[in-house]
Amino acid sequence: DAGITQSPRHKVTETGTPVTLRCHQTENHRYMYWYRQDPGHGLRLIHYSYGVKDTDKGEVSDGYSVSRSKTEDFLLTLESATSSQTSVYFCAIKGTSDSEQYFGPGTRLTVT
Amino acid sequence: GQQVMQIPQYQHVQEGEDFTTYCNSSTTLSNIQWYKQRPGGHPVFLIQLVKSGEVKKQKRLTFQFGEAKKNSSLHITATQTTDVGTYFCAGVEDNFNKFYFGSGTKLNVKP
Repeated sequence: DAGITQSPRHKVTETGTPVTLRCHQTENHRYMYWYRQDPGHGLRLIHYSYGVKDTDKGEVSDGYSVSRSKTEDFLLTLESATSSQTSVYFCAIKGTSDSEQYFGPGTRLTVT
Repeated sequence: GQQVMQIPQYQHVQEGEDFTTYCNSSTTLSNIQWYKQRPGGHPVFLIQLVKSGEVKKQKRLTFQFGEAKKNSSLHITATQTTDVGTYFCAGVEDNFNKFYFGSGTKLNVKP
């Protein structure tokens, strides 16, 4: 699956605490994405990156920030977690043949 | 911004019956992709359609892209229990860098 790992896989945190999710890829893909998945909403793009230190916002970026200091790592940070950010978070990379996306295994985040 | 609507939200079928899910975009798409997500898993790429009116087949799955490039469908003939999962379409922007997913159709197949 394109060598994508996410950590942690599960996390429970309290409202107001900062949280960082990590996406790691091993195949030097330029484009990396963070999505959240909620029932009835499908996958919604939070942020994406098109290179080291190059990022852009998606459709639901409020309350989230990202950083990419190395090609292989894309970090998603919730500066002050809220209950509305309880979700499953998927990282993805864009492949090179059909521009297809390959997804990581996901992180289930619960904010209490 | 671009919106991709997908119907139905759920579909329950008896094994052997056919299944279809539909996607409609508010804007003309450059291309459209289809993904399948098994319960508890992550989305997996199935196919990409690029040309107006394009039809592609993968065994029992038939994918169509509308003439106006604003709608698409996925049809499964004679469903099997292995087809269980959620099917998503994703519209792609002109620069091929942003993807807009439909809300998905969850398929349940009764043996």
